[in-house]
Amino acid sequence: GAGVSQSPSNKVTEKGKDVELRCDPISGHTALYWYRQSLGQGLEFLIYFQGNSAPDKSGLPSDRFSAERTGGSVSTLTIQRTQQEDSAVYLCASSLTRGGETQYFGPGTRLLVL
Amino acid sequence: DQQVKQNSPSLSVQEGRISILNCDYTNSMFDYFLWYKKYPAEGPTFLISISSIKDKNEDGRFTVFLNKSAKHLSLHIVPSQPGDSAVYFCAASETLTSGTYKYIFGTGTRLKVLA
Repeated sequence: GAGVSQSPSNKVTEKGKDVELRCDPISGHTALYWYRQSLGQGLEFLIYFQGNSAPDKSGLPSDRFSAERTGGSVSTLTIQRTQQEDSAVYLCASSLTRGGETQYFGPGTRLLVL
Repeated sequence: DQQVKQNSPSLSVQEGRISILNCDYTNSMFDYFLWYKKYPAEGPTFLISISSIKDKNEDGRFTVFLNKSAKHLSLHIVPSQPGDSAVYFCAASETLTSGTYKYIFGTGTRLKVLA
């Protein structure tokens, strides 16, 4: 497809389990972002990948959160030992370069931690 | 500390009238501003942007105004249409010394256009 895709679209897990969320950015986009949207909140920046540079992890809320981007394309966000407060919509976005231009968002993964 | 604020969580407007969505920011280093529209169960989609060197940008029915001295931007939609009903997020970015960008989003305003 031409847009950003994310999987799964919905994930229900039990507290304490690990989850992996996947993002396929638009082909050729070098910049990739992960955001989180909790109920009633704006989009909270989590992590940013730009080409082969070290990622900007400054938005990750705890060391239970990690992300990687393989081959400059697909990215996986991993949440270890999930907590109920991790329940949110996790959005991935990509942009052509690291310039301050338009980001294209995926549909998000809705995570519910019971 | 909310650097980008959208103080109106919701707004209702009659079809054909003007919709004005507001956004305030606190960081004077922000140099690029964007508006996104989000429908339920979908990711945000880019709507319009403005650089800090401008005070107005227009694209069809959508106009964004930037008042740097007041650290305020607004999105005008005229005429409003029922299909405009969605959540609108404003976002601001700053060019960091590392040359990277970080986007800060507001909490969104839910616009409902009444037919």
